[in-house]
Amino acid sequence: AQRVTQPEKLLSVFKGAPVELKCNYSYSGSPELFWYVQYSRQRLQLLLRHISRESIKGFTADLNKGETSFHLKKPFAQEEDSAMYYCALSGDSNYQLIWGAGTKLIIKP
Amino acid sequence: DVKVTQSSRYLVKRTGEKVFLECVQDMDHENMFWYRQDPGLGLRLIYFSYDVKMKEKGDIPEGYSVSREKKERFSLILESASTNQTSMYLCASSQPGLNEQFFGPGTRLTVL
Repeated sequence: AQRVTQPEKLLSVFKGAPVELKCNYSYSGSPELFWYVQYSRQRLQLLLRHISRESIKGFTADLNKGETSFHLKKPFAQEEDSAMYYCALSGDSNYQLIWGAGTKLIIKP
Repeated sequence: DVKVTQSSRYLVKRTGEKVFLECVQDMDHENMFWYRQDPGLGLRLIYFSYDVKMKEKGDIPEGYSVSREKKERFSLILESASTNQTSMYLCASSQPGLNEQFFGPGTRLTVL
C-alpha cells in the first residue's frame, strides 16, 4: 500500500533554532516526493521536490530510500516559516498524489 | 502567472440544499482535482478528472458528484448538503506526468 506518514501534527520551535519536519513513506517502487506549504490565508503551493535537489527558502529535503524518509530541514528557523507543511508521494498513478496529514509549524519569537 | 480560481471563498448553506462549487484553471491542464482539507486529516481526494467528461472517484466520493464539460472548468456538487460536509474544499490542476499540482485559494463551506 502507498502511504505517507507525518508523525507530528504540530511542531513548535524558537526562531533561529533548527527545524526538521518528518515524513516517512511506504511504496515499493521508485517514488517521487514533494513538500507543499500553506501559509496563513494563502493557497497551498509546492515548496520543493526531491528530484530538483535544490534549497528553497533555506529548506532542503533528502530522499533516504533505506529509511523510506523525506524529512524537511532548515538550519535556522524564521518566523515567516510558520505554516502548514504537507509531504506528498507520487507513486503508481500518473494523476494522483498521496498526501500526509500535515504538520503545523509554529516559530516562536 | 498560473491561476486556479474558485467561485467562492466562503459559503454558508443549509442542510439539504444543493451546493455547487466551481473551479477554473487557465493553464490548459488535463488533470483537475477536488479535495477536502480538515485539521488532522490532511488532504483527502474526493474526485479527479483526467480529461473532459472523464472522472474518477477518489478516497471519499460519497455525497459528492462532479462535472467537467470544458477542459478549464471542474465543478463539485453536493446533491443534498449535510453538516458533516462542513469543510475547506480545495481545487487543483496538473499536467500529466509532471505531478506538481496547482491549487486554488479554497472554499470554506459551512452547512448549518
